[in-house]
Amino acid sequence: EPEVTQTPSHQVTQMGQEVILRCVPISNHLYFYWYRQILGQKVEFLVSFYNNEISEKSEIFDDQFSVERPDGSNFTLKIRSTKLEDSAMYFCATSPTGTGREQYFGPGTRLTVT
Amino acid sequence: GENVEQHPSTLSVQEGDSAVIKCTYSDSASNYFPWYKQELGKGPQLIIDIRSNVGEKKDQRIAVTLNKTAKHFSLHITETQPEDSAVYFCAALMNRDDKIIFGKGTRLHILP
Repeated sequence: EPEVTQTPSHQVTQMGQEVILRCVPISNHLYFYWYRQILGQKVEFLVSFYNNEISEKSEIFDDQFSVERPDGSNFTLKIRSTKLEDSAMYFCATSPTGTGREQYFGPGTRLTVT
Repeated sequence: GENVEQHPSTLSVQEGDSAVIKCTYSDSASNYFPWYKQELGKGPQLIIDIRSNVGEKKDQRIAVTLNKTAKHFSLHITETQPEDSAVYFCAALMNRDDKIIFGKGTRLHILP
């Protein structure tokens, strides 16, 4: 069964550093999402992306965040200057539909900012 | 915006018994309600979903019910097994959005 994959599984970085989290979507999926989950809290929407454009973003997704699909396969989330409060699990999700339904999540990247 | 409340936060049931997790949503424009199962160290896994034009949906031991009037929806797991132990999230999606709003999750323990 096709799966969403994410790399790295765990990233440790110092405050102020840039990080790039990578996602490989399921092959026929064209709609992409990033969510985050701070330890012990609910999963929160960050951004949705289709056709090389952001469709929607939350208030969490400020100027420090960016997304792109650099090579037609990977879908990346970049945090320009990490803060302690960016420590969380970051999940990529992909969907074959543009309705927001049927979102399939990857295993996540645990980001630890020290 | 949409808000999803989920209860209980923790649930322990004896193996073989049924488990019920309940959620409410605030925005009547929500029309799609997925349920996700998250095992330790893994991402949320879509296990079942229901659309607002349906009152109930069943898939083997899992069923979801939706009461649009009351803005309630529930997950029912029958004949629970040890592998059902996980955190379960309810969620809602509004027609005009494509972002899923999650509940806070229910940690389900299946007791031997």
